[in-house]
Amino acid sequence: GAGVSQTPSNKVTEKGKYVELRCDPISGHTALYWYRQSLGQGPEFLIYFQGTGAADDSGLPNDRFFAVRPEGSVSTLKIQRTERGDSAVYLCASSRLAGVSYNEQFFGPGTRLTVL
Amino acid sequence: ELKVEQNPLFLSMQEGKNYTIYCNYSTTSDRLYWYRQDPGKSLESLFVLLSNGAVKQEGRLMASLDTKARLSTLHITAAVHDLSATYFCAVDGPGYALNFGKGTSLLVTP
Repeated sequence: GAGVSQTPSNKVTEKGKYVELRCDPISGHTALYWYRQSLGQGPEFLIYFQGTGAADDSGLPNDRFFAVRPEGSVSTLKIQRTERGDSAVYLCASSRLAGVSYNEQFFGPGTRLTVL
Repeated sequence: ELKVEQNPLFLSMQEGKNYTIYCNYSTTSDRLYWYRQDPGKSLESLFVLLSNGAVKQEGRLMASLDTKARLSTLHITAAVHDLSATYFCAVDGPGYALNFGKGTSLLVTP
């Protein structure tokens, strides 16, 4: 079946602008995650959704970052007043969670965000 | 603070050789994940290790988990160029987040 998809694949914006990044998880996966990966680093957790609600947003760096998942499927990560330090690859992942004892996450191709 | 440390961070090896990548972690988790990432691509799940002593093999890669030592290894046997990639280990928690190491960048040369 189809994997996790993310749009756009690349986004270039200017400092101070607002951006939205979209994630479409694997069908049937109830859990959705956002991570941020900087060059030469492993992914860093941002936020996790179980269904429609944000079950854990402890990784969001500050209040400029916000994410929604209104219907329990597609999610949008929103970044206000972007800063150059926000430049990174934003990865989305999904997992089944329900009915399994482990949390194997499947990742999308990522959105490369560049803030000029 | 949960820490996941991989070593080496960079590895250049010749085709046909064997080598081991190490992943140490600070939590008491008994679940560990290995992922592969090709340049400019996303992460591909390789192995899920669910208990102490777990061993999984796929082709030239074999992963093991020692939860008492908080150590996982990824062993490469008779390396080939197609294995060149960055390999990440990750552990659960807190909550459902995965905590990743910095990755081991592997280059297999002729």
